[in-house]
Amino acid sequence: DQQVKQNSPSLSVQEGRISILNCDYTNSMFDYFLWYKKYPAEGPTFLISISSIKDKNEDGRFTVFLNKSAKHLSLHIVPSQPGDSAVYFCAATREGGADGLTFGKGTHLIIQP
Amino acid sequence: DTAVSQTPKYLVTQMGNDKSIKCEQNLGHDTMYWYKQDSKKFLKIMFSYNNKELIINETVPNRFSPKSPDKAHLNLHINSLELGDSAVYFCASSRRAANEKLFFGSGTQLSVL
Repeated sequence: DQQVKQNSPSLSVQEGRISILNCDYTNSMFDYFLWYKKYPAEGPTFLISISSIKDKNEDGRFTVFLNKSAKHLSLHIVPSQPGDSAVYFCAATREGGADGLTFGKGTHLIIQP
Repeated sequence: DTAVSQTPKYLVTQMGNDKSIKCEQNLGHDTMYWYKQDSKKFLKIMFSYNNKELIINETVPNRFSPKSPDKAHLNLHINSLELGDSAVYFCASSRRAANEKLFFGSGTQLSVL
């Protein structure tokens, strides 16, 4: 059973436009969410996170929105740049717990020049 | 300096062999993990160690045994390799055992023939 779902395996966006990556979760115990970025042949690198006490967190071109009632979060990248082409993983967990992160399958973002 | 380094990067071996993957982190973190990314691209936690003590042990065959000689190292030994063990294995670390952002190594692609 997938507790974290990223239903779009891939997304193609034109350079300069906004990229929106979506993530849904089913476990209501999750209260801390993270986005990771992964290039081929490299490990995932942390991008941005959000706690359930917030509904938005922003870091430069990256903004994560959390809708707790819908159990949905999204990552917005604006403006999109060629270096943003990568696989993006959504992860969720219980803040303060010790049972690790639960990841989605990832969305491959392709930025078109 | 690489924060989390794992070796080897690629490992090709025959069924039935025993192999090891090594991981080291120089971040001074207390907690280290092994994650497996299978053919369906899910990143799933296998083990977690905090200060050399096992704290997470997901349902993983007994053929997989982690060993942590000190808190900067977490090695993964796999006995009697099977075809289904083929995957990418990622080592990761975090500052403490609470669920928070992880720092990943670049992965070891294991191919069992």
